[in-house]
Amino acid sequence: DAKTTQPPSMDCAEGRAANLPCNHSTISGNEYVYWYRQIHSQGPQYIIHGLKNNETNEMASLIITEDRKSSTLILPHATLRDTAVYYCIVRVTGGTSYGKLTFGQGTILTVHP
Amino acid sequence: EAQVTQNPRYLITVTGKKLTVTCSQNMNHEYMSWYRQDPGLGLRQIYYSMNVEVTDKGDVPEGYKVSRKEKRNFPLILESPSPNQTSLYFCASRRTGIGLSYEQYFGPGTRLTVT
Repeated sequence: DAKTTQPPSMDCAEGRAANLPCNHSTISGNEYVYWYRQIHSQGPQYIIHGLKNNETNEMASLIITEDRKSSTLILPHATLRDTAVYYCIVRVTGGTSYGKLTFGQGTILTVHP
Repeated sequence: EAQVTQNPRYLITVTGKKLTVTCSQNMNHEYMSWYRQDPGLGLRQIYYSMNVEVTDKGDVPEGYKVSRKEKRNFPLILESPSPNQTSLYFCASRRTGIGLSYEQYFGPGTRLTVT
């Protein structure tokens, strides 16, 4: 799986958009970008994933650059409950490591009142 | 409600006393997995199971056992716990199959302390 690089921490004001970047310059053509988050030692929670097109769901939007070397997770209207560690994960959907998610250090997002 | 449950949520035990952490999912998922999370090391996979009676080692299987006799349950067994197994443990599950989302559902975690 390709390595990802995320800033260790970010701050955001409540009600504003939170934009979390992720670099994955060694991503290959069949690797997806996944985002999970972990709120205060709870179980990680799936947010969104994509291959090359931008994606949006009820939680967030995922913007993937045209060369796929980086992506941005957007929480459009951050709330205090969005304070969490956000993980960007790049992997294929099959192969010998089927099912395993490799979590890096992630980005600690703190949403302020 | 679709969920993964783990029991117990908190456990303090002594070295060498066998223990089992249970994991159960109600989503009819084929794939289940155990992770441990330690400060500075992130989440590391211990064991996983592709389906009933099919299990395999993850990255850190030493000192652990698992079984998958039923689709919904995937217990984690520590035959002789040691202090280095003090950690936060997560169970996860997902559907399998081509074209399906890779979303994994995680349990709430079990905080284990071995003294």
